[in-house]
Amino acid sequence: AQSVTQLGSHVSVSEGALVLLRCNYSSSVPPYLFWYVQYPNQGLQLLLKYTSAATLVKGINGFEAEFKKSETSFHLTKPSAHMSDAAEYFCAVEAGGTSYGKLTFGQGTILTVHP
Amino acid sequence: DGGITQSPKYLFRKEGQNVTLSCEQNLNHDAMYWYRQDPGQGLRLIYYSQIVNDFQKGDIAEGYSVSREKKESFPLTVTSAQKNPTAFYLCASSTGRITDTQYFGPGTRLTVL
Repeated sequence: AQSVTQLGSHVSVSEGALVLLRCNYSSSVPPYLFWYVQYPNQGLQLLLKYTSAATLVKGINGFEAEFKKSETSFHLTKPSAHMSDAAEYFCAVEAGGTSYGKLTFGQGTILTVHP
Repeated sequence: DGGITQSPKYLFRKEGQNVTLSCEQNLNHDAMYWYRQDPGQGLRLIYYSQIVNDFQKGDIAEGYSVSREKKESFPLTVTSAQKNPTAFYLCASSTGRITDTQYFGPGTRLTVL
């Protein structure tokens, strides 16, 4: 069975500072990994996904994530935070085989950006 | 515009009543999903359907039921057997192929009074 752990339920940064949101996964098969963002009272929007093509994945809004198999991690980063980045971020894993299409989500990390 | 619609946005229910949440998509997607979101718990899968007239239980299906009679529609019924139904419910769809993106609706917030 696959699972995802997001370290830190709340992260606070200053505008212009580095954003680092942590995600570790557990999977018995090679995983496919996703980061989604959710603004208050809205649905989720895909930021980026790892599908084994390249370990460094670039997404929308200046975010990127690096897949590190040795560390079972897929941390999300952005060099310079903007006020509009304030939202909740979810890491998710999709295992292959018969579980295709099914995502397992982490608990979420709320990002606060202060001036 | 293509997308997923959920209605209503807010729903109030008295204890003991069943209630049905609507989810419609015009993306021509084969697969549809229902998630429940509670603060600090992420999203948990309730039911999913990979094709019309077929659906499977997710991780927390007890107290819920679904139908998939049309490709575009995947309604969720929250029954009186669901012990703690107050939550934010999200519907999603995808082509169903592995690694494909799931697209989410805006959600329905259900409150049991």
